Amino acid sequence: QPVLTQPPSVSAAPGQKVTISCSGNNSNVGRNHLSWYQRLPGTAPKLLIFDINKRPSEIPDRFSGSKSATSATLDITGLQTGDEADYYCAIWDTSLSAYVFGTGTKVTVL
Amino acid sequence: QVQLVESGGGVVQPGRSLRLSCAASGFPFSNYAMHWVRQAPGKGLDWVAFISYDGGNEYYADSVKGRFTISRDNSKNTLYLQMNSLKPDDTGVYSCASDPRYADSGYFRHWGQGTLVAVSS
Repeated sequence: QPVLTQPPSVSAAPGQKVTISCSGNNSNVGRNHLSWYQRLPGTAPKLLIFDINKRPSEIPDRFSGSKSATSATLDITGLQTGDEADYYCAIWDTSLSAYVFGTGTKVTVL
Repeated sequence: QVQLVESGGGVVQPGRSLRLSCAASGFPFSNYAMHWVRQAPGKGLDWVAFISYDGGNEYYADSVKGRFTISRDNSKNTLYLQMNSLKPDDTGVYSCASDPRYADSGYFRHWGQGTLVAVSS
């Protein structure tokens, strides 16, 4: 049983917006240190968002994060073909004393 | 620029051992916690182990606890993963990742490309 649940796939046309959800519980997503990662085919994962909604300086503001209770969201606006990738949420789970990753979401640009 | 380069992967029989290395450069390695994360073929990311910046604290996924040991040599800017009693389910690409914080508030800041471990008879 996955600890963090994401939709398997989302899609939209170029220029549009996609939203990826990450659902957990009070031991994980209910905390404030959730992060998001992008894995382009054949490349190392890249940090997009940390602490729910903070972006590293190299990440464009088309990527944004938010959270409500035990569900977090990654929004990608102005979708580009280069955004086609797998996206994962992750956080430390206090009840497991372990990091957990979401199940992953494949973004397709139509 | 930050570089994390893993090595030591290969094909190994079930029950055997393997030691992975991760050479770090471009950032103050001794100030960063480090992780190992793996990805099995066709599967998602799977966290394996964490070590604090000074090596004083370690955490492991239940699936590897008692079989894998994470360690670091800050004088060599190198992270290690000793993998014993390997199982076919351990097959995957193993990547190291840096973390500017402690375990319960951390995140994976930079990642290496990974090294492939295949456990098969």
